[in-house]
Amino acid sequence: DADVTQTPRNRITKTGKRIMLECSQTKGHDRMYWYRQDPGLGLRLIYYSFDVKDINKGEISDGYSVSRQAQAKFSLSLESAIPNQTALYFCATSDLGWSGYTFGSGTRLTVV
Amino acid sequence: DQQVKQNSPSLSVQEGRISILNCDYTNSMFDYFLWYKKYPAEGPTFLISISSIKDKNEDGRFTVFLNKSAKHLSLHIVPSQPGDSAVYFCAAGTYSSASKIIFGSGTRLSIRP
Repeated sequence: DADVTQTPRNRITKTGKRIMLECSQTKGHDRMYWYRQDPGLGLRLIYYSFDVKDINKGEISDGYSVSRQAQAKFSLSLESAIPNQTALYFCATSDLGWSGYTFGSGTRLTVV
Repeated sequence: DQQVKQNSPSLSVQEGRISILNCDYTNSMFDYFLWYKKYPAEGPTFLISISSIKDKNEDGRFTVFLNKSAKHLSLHIVPSQPGDSAVYFCAAGTYSSASKIIFGSGTRLSIRP
């Protein structure tokens, strides 16, 4: 099983719909992150969480919300999806040190 | 304003030759730098890192060079192999804020036979 699992892998949704992307990890890491990848823009941080009671906005949090249900679970919600939220979304985890991030395989979201 | 820039969207290198991927940064507070590799349909995977107290770090075929005065780092892959074809992301952060790593836009490396 993957260390960081994202569901769904692919999703097509309509404008205005609410959608949730889920992430779970078996790394035992305290820190979890949500990034989105757009062509030519690299990976941009949406939200991050240091532990269950800690949620922080990243550089592009508008239009998104998150929930840290447990140490191992971190979900990203789009309350009312819009077409420019079409992107590849990655969840990642890290420990307290600088061993780097462990990424999930990504969720490809298309908003039509 | 992008704090981490990879100005070459793509690079094609012949198998066996050296691949050099470049990255520039603007924030002088960055003191830790990383390279990630990404294959299609997979998440990025950590490749190699370097602290600002060093100017070179080597791991097998991969070497990262850091030039702090120029705010520039590069990743050298020698010799290049077909399996190295992927997108490479440069990233940077600070020890004081290990929570947030800033990524560049990526360079797609293609290794041709």
